[in-house]
Amino acid sequence: DAKTTQPTSMDCAEGRAANLPCNHSTISGNEYVYWYRQIHSQGPQYIIHGLKNNETNEMASLIITEDRKSSTLILPHATLRDTAVYYCIPALNAGGTSYGKLTFGQGTILTVHP
Amino acid sequence: DTGVSQDPRHKITKRGQNVTFRCDPISEHNRLYWYRQTLGQGPEFLTYFQNEAQLEKSRLLSDRFSAERPKGSFSTLEIQRTEQGDSAMYLCASSPPPGQGVSNHYEQYFGPGTRLTVT
Repeated sequence: DAKTTQPTSMDCAEGRAANLPCNHSTISGNEYVYWYRQIHSQGPQYIIHGLKNNETNEMASLIITEDRKSSTLILPHATLRDTAVYYCIPALNAGGTSYGKLTFGQGTILTVHP
Repeated sequence: DTGVSQDPRHKITKRGQNVTFRCDPISEHNRLYWYRQTLGQGPEFLTYFQNEAQLEKSRLLSDRFSAERPKGSFSTLEIQRTEQGDSAMYLCASSPPPGQGVSNHYEQYFGPGTRLTVT
């Protein structure tokens, strides 16, 4: 599995965009990038995933660099409820031998301030 | 609520006792996962079921741990002869069958967890 590097913590003002970076320079060609978050005292929550192209859904946008060595999760208008630990997780696609095992790192603690 | 449920939410037990946790996945999900999370760390994979078959187990799952999913629906995780090091949050997740072309088994839905404290 590819190793990831994320900032330990980040702050963001409510209503502003939160941009969370992730470095995954050893990612292989068939590994997707998944993002999860974990709000305090809750289980992790799936946010978004991508392979090469940028992706957007109702929760966030995912920007993946052309060389796929890094990505950025964007929360366009952060709210207090977005305060959580955010995990960036490379994962093999269906052709791999892994059965869906998610390998969580330390993640980034995002604190959204009023 | 049609999400993943876990029972109990909290369990305090004395060292040496056996404990069992239950997970009820989302009904149409055939894949079920168990993870363990200690304070300040991300969740760690323990084991995976596809229907009733246990297809992968982590080295973290010692001989004292056993998981079952007898009818391919709910799952149980049992810890025998608990130790203080077993104190953690035990998380269950489920995912649907893969869609056409691209597997989505990494899109997992987690329950609230069972917090185990071994005294």
